[in-house]
Amino acid sequence: GAVVSQHPSWVICKSGTSVKIECRSLDFQATTMFWYRQFPKQSLMLMATSNEGSKATYEQGVEKDKFLINHASLTLSTLTVTSAHPEDSSFYICSAPGRDEQYFGPGTRLTVT
Amino acid sequence: AQSVTQPDIHITVSEGASLELRCNYSYGATPYLFWYVQSPGQGLQLLLKYFSGDTLVQGIKGFEAEFKRSQSSFNLRKPSVHWSDAAEYFCAVATLSGGYNKLIFGAGTRLAVHP
Repeated sequence: GAVVSQHPSWVICKSGTSVKIECRSLDFQATTMFWYRQFPKQSLMLMATSNEGSKATYEQGVEKDKFLINHASLTLSTLTVTSAHPEDSSFYICSAPGRDEQYFGPGTRLTVT
Repeated sequence: AQSVTQPDIHITVSEGASLELRCNYSYGATPYLFWYVQSPGQGLQLLLKYFSGDTLVQGIKGFEAEFKRSQSSFNLRKPSVHWSDAAEYFCAVATLSGGYNKLIFGAGTRLAVHP
């Protein structure tokens, strides 16, 4: 089946710094990828839709200047959390749509100290 | 607006007992429905999906779900739970946006299994 990877699997950064999370489709091309955020013991909330070769589409309430998304190739989307703060600590998950389902990455746990 | 409701936040069952996790959706058109499972610190694994046809859907790990349009429900069932089934379960509905299906998730149901 289709495989989506994320890197890193976990990251700790200091408040005020930026951190980049990569999402790759390993055995298929993905012109679209989705980025989700999941707080502890809560559901996944869609943050944005990443589109290869064009601007990302952000969901209402998501700060596009804080969560920068770049979809540079057909297999790679990146999410950069800029000027991270402790409240940005969360589990970030990406997915890529297949023919009739989405394939999820394993997630990246971000802790901002 | 489209939404998914999972009424049970937490469920505990004994190993070997049967299981039913509830899911209700709100969607104007024919829904695409999914059940995912998430183990601690892990990504999501698809258990099963419903698009059309037979309303009883078989999935992996012995799970099944039944689509009931009249009740706007898509409940997940398993006849005999194993300790390894302890996890978080999410019901989701897909909404078409820009040519792709965006997923709206329910709040999740955390399943604990007693030996």
